Amino acid sequence: DAGVTQSPTHLIKTRGQHVTLRCSPISGHKSVSWYQQVLGQGPQFIFQYYEKEERGRGNFPDRFSARQFPNYSSELNVNALLLGDSALYLCASSPGQSIYEQYFGPGTRLTVT
Amino acid sequence: AQSVAQPEDQVNVAEGNPLTVKCTYSVSGNPYLFWYVQYPNRGLQFLLKYITGDNLVKGSYGFEAEFNKSQTSFHLKKPSALVSDSALYFCAVRDMMDSSYKLIFGSGTRLLVRP
Repeated sequence: DAGVTQSPTHLIKTRGQHVTLRCSPISGHKSVSWYQQVLGQGPQFIFQYYEKEERGRGNFPDRFSARQFPNYSSELNVNALLLGDSALYLCASSPGQSIYEQYFGPGTRLTVT
Repeated sequence: AQSVAQPEDQVNVAEGNPLTVKCTYSVSGNPYLFWYVQYPNRGLQFLLKYITGDNLVKGSYGFEAEFNKSQTSFHLKKPSALVSDSALYFCAVRDMMDSSYKLIFGSGTRLLVRP
């Protein structure tokens, strides 16, 4: 079975631009979470979606938004990019919530210049 | 506030020797605890989890972890290290009382196993 897939793999944007990152969960998984991993740090929680509804939001500005589609895939959108948004963006899926572990995709490396 | 501490930036061990990677946590309610491993330019791979029950949990690639409630710790262990175990290891916690189901990660510990 395919794991969590993310696209694109790498992305270079300019300050002030907008970016959309995409994630496809493992087949049968209904929960998708997004994390930001800055170099040298652990991942930080951005959003969690379950059954197409937002179930959790981390401490990120309103420039960050996300949605989950009927097929459980997800998009993360970031507006008005800042240099500090440069990071590895990780998507994770799980069958449900609570006790389930999350399975991570390879990430999208975003560089803002 | 929920938090995870990994006090060692790097752990060095010789191949064949036992290894321990330390993790302590702080949550309001009862914890769900996880260990993940990250290889260069890769996402995180799940190793093991503690939900309830036996304090010693076994996971992938011969790793195990011991949950200690009184010390709020969840140290990762392996009886005999391999060079291929060299990677970045993250401890994570989820608070059972947190409705957002988010994982809180530590800052990571780099494990270097020398031949």
